[in-house]
Amino acid sequence: SQELEQSPQSLIVQEGKNLTINCTSSKTLYGLYWYKQKYGEGLIFLMMLQKGGEEKSHEKITAKLDEKKQQSSLHITASQPSHAGIYLCGAKAGGTSYGKLTFGQGTILTVHP
Amino acid sequence: GAGVSQSPRYKVTKRGQDVALRCDPISGHVSLYWYRQALGQGPEFLTYFNYEAQQDKSGLPNDRFSAERPEGSISTLTIQRTEQRDSAMYRCASSHAGANEPEQFFGPGTRLTVL
Repeated sequence: SQELEQSPQSLIVQEGKNLTINCTSSKTLYGLYWYKQKYGEGLIFLMMLQKGGEEKSHEKITAKLDEKKQQSSLHITASQPSHAGIYLCGAKAGGTSYGKLTFGQGTILTVHP
Repeated sequence: GAGVSQSPRYKVTKRGQDVALRCDPISGHVSLYWYRQALGQGPEFLTYFNYEAQQDKSGLPNDRFSAERPEGSISTLTIQRTEQRDSAMYRCASSHAGANEPEQFFGPGTRLTVL
């Protein structure tokens, strides 16, 4: 079965600093999703990457997919307290035509004002 | 509301009792997923519905777990004879059908505690 490893497991940064979260898959990636989770809320969809080399941005968050390395990275520029939360990467299971996702264990981000 | 809703939000039950968790997906969403999330972990897939058909139940841990979606909309996840190890956050997600791996919209989850 596919496994996703996120690093770091937790991250504490000062407001205004840039940061990167990595997600590495044990198998070929067929679509990589990034979600953000806040306590008491559902998972909030951030971005979906499908093709090697693909890069997407939303506000100050950029995600990239490196198919060869079976890895994705999420980069936040000029972090703000509102960016705090748990970031989860999820990958579609190979061989399925629907969105059965395997998730990493999550990266806990704390942003100090 | 416009999002996925789940009820109850919190459920505390005694070991051996049956529980039913409800998911109300976004109107018109064909695909519905159930996941289970332990503390400090990412969600784990349980089962998938396409309309009312349960097309994948490979993630259900054992036969005490079952799910249905009789009219292709609301879904219920039932756990019989609950055990302490069943304690977790149970999450439901829905999405449009179609190609290109549409995003899944997650509900707030039901926190189940089995005493």
